Amino acid sequence: QKEVEQDPGPLSVPEGAIVSLNCTYSNSAFQYFMWYRQYSRKGPELLMYTYSSGNKEDGRFTAQVDKSSKYISLFIRDSQPSDSATYLCAATGNQFYFGTGTSLTVIP
Amino acid sequence: NAGVTQTPKFQVLKTGQSMTLQCAQDMNHEYMSWYRQDPGMGLRLIHYSVGAGITDQGEVPNGYNVSRSTTEDFPLRLLSAAPSQTSVYFCASSYSILTGYGYTFGSGTRLTVV
Repeated sequence: QKEVEQDPGPLSVPEGAIVSLNCTYSNSAFQYFMWYRQYSRKGPELLMYTYSSGNKEDGRFTAQVDKSSKYISLFIRDSQPSDSATYLCAATGNQFYFGTGTSLTVIP
Repeated sequence: NAGVTQTPKFQVLKTGQSMTLQCAQDMNHEYMSWYRQDPGMGLRLIHYSVGAGITDQGEVPNGYNVSRSTTEDFPLRLLSAAPSQTSVYFCASSYSILTGYGYTFGSGTRLTVV
């Protein structure tokens, strides 16, 4: 079992939709949880992170962590075609642990 | 700031050849890593370093060597290339894995072994 599990999708939504991306993790000792965005043929870039449980909002993006259920979520409001990318969740313990990524396409 | 610079961007090797993938960062990050990314497999850690002179193996180290003689550079050596090493390779660096600082990734090296 991988330390961080992520539904690979692919996910296809119309422009303006609310997108929900989800991951689960296995180690209750993980403290920092991150979301990376990776455009085609580019390296991943850090989108946002949260510490322990709770929500963090940045513009149209909200990251949520529920440590009781070991669940990590990223919500994208008013999705745009420019949001089309692969989204990777990650958690840190003694190293970084990544999910396999969810491919998102936002259709104009 | 250049961030994390990887060279080359593309490479084709013949089976059995060796080569070095270069990685340099200018952010004074202590923590550096090499990953390979394959369809459906996500990012898999090859080797990592927590500082100059210190390296350790990750999830898939076989067939690869690393060294860290300076804080800035972390080259990855393929000893005898095999078709199974066809992949996209990413170098990444971080100030610390104990915070939310996260990784800065390079733009990747696309390697094909024929």
